Amino acid sequence: EVQLVQSGAEVKKPGESLRISCKGSGYSFTSYWINWVRQMPGKGLEWMGRIDPSDTYTNYGPSFHGHVTISADKSISTAYLQWSSLKASDTAIYYCATQVPVVATNTFDNWGPGALVTVSS
Amino acid sequence: QSALTQPASVSGSPGQSITISCTGTSSDVGSYNLVSWYQQHPGKAPKLMIYEVSKRPSGVFNRFSGSKSGNTASLTISGLQAEDEANYYCCSYAGSSTFVVFGGGTKLTVL
Repeated sequence: EVQLVQSGAEVKKPGESLRISCKGSGYSFTSYWINWVRQMPGKGLEWMGRIDPSDTYTNYGPSFHGHVTISADKSISTAYLQWSSLKASDTAIYYCATQVPVVATNTFDNWGPGALVTVSS
Repeated sequence: QSALTQPASVSGSPGQSITISCTGTSSDVGSYNLVSWYQQHPGKAPKLMIYEVSKRPSGVFNRFSGSKSGNTASLTISGLQAEDEANYYCCSYAGSSTFVVFGGGTKLTVL
């Protein structure tokens, strides 16, 4: 059974850096790409980007390119979402989700439970 | 403002059918048969309900169906049940620069 386990809730101050994680189990980690999806408080889903763990090839959504970094370490079956300088507007729940290794797809069939990031002074 | 337009809310009584629309453009919904739908209960992660316009993942009841015409996709839920009450999001592939866009979500209330 495919499982995605995400790191715990974080409380950070504006300007701080952060890396959250998503660990895959129950499957070959390089067989699926990992996507990151943001959900701001009381709002809808927004696609941030994705990574192919086999070669770390990444795609970013236009709103997120340059604001976050997606990476992966296939040796420990873990993908990451990273900020170098957080803003209050980064407060949200962040989900990771798998997809088949195809560029043209939006089928996210397995989701992590989400990680709440709170940025407040 | 979300890339895809959904009604903010829909409602129906148990046993009835409802349809949620999802309007995009010729750059996303209209160009690709890559529309998916996600169900999200409060405090939970989204769940894939429909992919590639009308396909159902294993384990999703056939009460859920999807379709598309032009730039508009639709999710129909027949035989409404109380547990169907949730938020529903449509999603489309949008080409090799934007990649993926979501709708703003529709809150389904089962009366």
